[in-house]
Amino acid sequence: NAGVMQNPRHLVRRRGQEARLRCSPMKGHSHVYWYRQLPEEGLKFMVYLQKENIIDESGMPKERFSAEFPKEGPSILRIQQVVRGDSAAYFCASSPRDRDSYEQYFGPGTRLTVT
Amino acid sequence: RKEVEQDPGPFNVPEGATVAFNCTYSNSASQSFFWYRQDCRKEPKLLMSVYSSGNEDGRFTAQLNRASQYISLLIRDSKLSDSATYLCVVNVRTYKYIFGTGTRLKVLA
Repeated sequence: NAGVMQNPRHLVRRRGQEARLRCSPMKGHSHVYWYRQLPEEGLKFMVYLQKENIIDESGMPKERFSAEFPKEGPSILRIQQVVRGDSAAYFCASSPRDRDSYEQYFGPGTRLTVT
Repeated sequence: RKEVEQDPGPFNVPEGATVAFNCTYSNSASQSFFWYRQDCRKEPKLLMSVYSSGNEDGRFTAQLNRASQYISLLIRDSKLSDSATYLCVVNVRTYKYIFGTGTRLKVLA
């Protein structure tokens, strides 16, 4: 059973470009979470999705950031017009469905560098 | 007050020592609790869930004190490979997980 997969592992973008980060949850998991981690800081919740639904995006900046989890394919976190402050590690986690609380399993992360 | 608070450390301990970390949480309705381990520039890995009755996994013991709203992690017989950042995670309601900023542990030879 493959773990949570994320790609790319490293992404370099110039200011103003778009960044697309992909996450494939573990098999059988239909809950996906995105977190951002700045250097020397903790993980900050961004968004929680189930298949085809955004359940909670309260941690995501209102502008430039969007997320989706389509019926088929990976979850995508999209950052438009990136700025230097977007440089961070972005982790995706998944958990099984149909319970109130479950352990989360994390992917290896995408390290975004904005130059 | 932060929702989840941890002493950032670092805790520098010799090999073989016993070390304990605490983590306090503010939401008394929190439902479940976890300890994760994060190595430098890697993803968090689940270390153990924390149950009301406490639980033990080898050299690691986790305890929950709901009255005082804290959880603890005890590591016995520390190994060099235990050097990492330990994250306390609190599930405050369905799907809502709050991460502490972590406690850094360095085990010295």
